Amino acid sequence: DAGITQSPRHKVTETGTPVTLRCHQTENHRYMYWYRQDPGHGLRLIHYSYGVKDTDKGEVSDGYSVSRSKTEDFLLTLESATSSQTSVYFCAISARTGYGYTFGSGTRLTVV
Amino acid sequence: GIQVEQSPPDLILQEGANSTLRCNFSDSVNNLQWFHQNPWGQLINLFYIPSGTKQNGRLSATTVATERYSLLYISSSQTTDSGVYFCAVVPTQGGSEKLVFGKGTKLTVNP
Repeated sequence: DAGITQSPRHKVTETGTPVTLRCHQTENHRYMYWYRQDPGHGLRLIHYSYGVKDTDKGEVSDGYSVSRSKTEDFLLTLESATSSQTSVYFCAISARTGYGYTFGSGTRLTVV
Repeated sequence: GIQVEQSPPDLILQEGANSTLRCNFSDSVNNLQWFHQNPWGQLINLFYIPSGTKQNGRLSATTVATERYSLLYISSSQTTDSGVYFCAVVPTQGGSEKLVFGKGTKLTVNP
């Protein structure tokens, strides 16, 4: 397979609770990305990483934080989930920035 | 920031028909890719095509960077072609190498 897995695949959580989504890769790629997909918006970049402990914000980063302590893991945290964060979250990896993306299968998050 | 417009937003075809999907972008780019998201949500990279023409089986793509558009052609469509097709670009300006996605074209191929 592509060597990228996301967990969990589905999650329902309550407003105000913290949530962490995990992206794990076995490809040893330098670049990792978190996107969210919403109807009518396509995919929008939340945060990305260009190496261990090196991260930066995307276009919709408010309310989200990330961490990358190992090459293979990129965590996305919603500190206090809100209903507007109900979405499908995709992780992607690439060996070169902006090229050759491989996407995970997605995490469907529902905040009630 | 750069705007990426895809048309049409929705397309319904009978199996065997041909189709053309369009992607317009508002500024110069040094990277353009086409993705297919199948009905189960999986995103697959179809083409890396910042300029010129490429073909892969029944699919081909053409990017005219100077006129800021790209076209994805699907010939002899099959039901398995159904899903959402995304165009994504990396703008030349700004120093960012991150892909910016259009909103997609939803294709339905009926048997």
